[in-house]
Amino acid sequence: GQQLNQSPQSMFIQEGEDVSMNCTSSSIFNTWLWYKQEPGEGPVLLIALYKAGELTSNGRLTAQFGITRKDSFLNISASIPSDVGIYFCAGQILMEYGNKLVFGAGTILRVKS
Amino acid sequence: KAGVTQTPRYLIKTRGQQVTLSCSPISGHRSVSWYQQTPGQGLQFLFEYFSETQRNKGNFPGRFSGRQFSNSRSEMNVSTLELGDSALYLCASSFGQAEAFFGQGTRLTVV
Repeated sequence: GQQLNQSPQSMFIQEGEDVSMNCTSSSIFNTWLWYKQEPGEGPVLLIALYKAGELTSNGRLTAQFGITRKDSFLNISASIPSDVGIYFCAGQILMEYGNKLVFGAGTILRVKS
Repeated sequence: KAGVTQTPRYLIKTRGQQVTLSCSPISGHRSVSWYQQTPGQGLQFLFEYFSETQRNKGNFPGRFSGRQFSNSRSEMNVSTLELGDSALYLCASSFGQAEAFFGQGTRLTVV
């Protein structure tokens, strides 16, 4: 079945540092999505990527959709304490009718101020 | 615009019981999907509903079922609960094939 390999598993960084995380897969996805989840909450959509090679920014966040449609990365610049959380990549699979998301295992981000 | 609303937020049930969780999607969104999140398995797709029809189903036993109403609100039901069903159950809604927006989830604990 489809699997997403997300790395790193966790990061403990100094406030102000840049962060980079990525997801790879052997499968091709129609859309890549990046979510952030905080304790006790549902995932919140950060960035959606639709086209191979697409580079999209959302404030301090930048994400790119791999040219082969099998990978994506997320960068966070100048991290701040509120960036703490679990970041998930998700690949969208279009079915004959509808779609579903396949998720990576998540990257736990901790920021020390 | 209100987000995806899930009720209840927390639930404690005993093994063997059954449970029903509710999800109200974002207004105008007709697609509702359900996911199970556990520390061991991560986020796993349960099923997707659109226009009151189940379009897709994940690899979960028949004890997991759902339905969608004409107003797009959805419920999922788990019968004969097992300890391993303890999880955060997440509902997501989307407009067509666009990105999915999640609710806060229902934390189910089976004792």
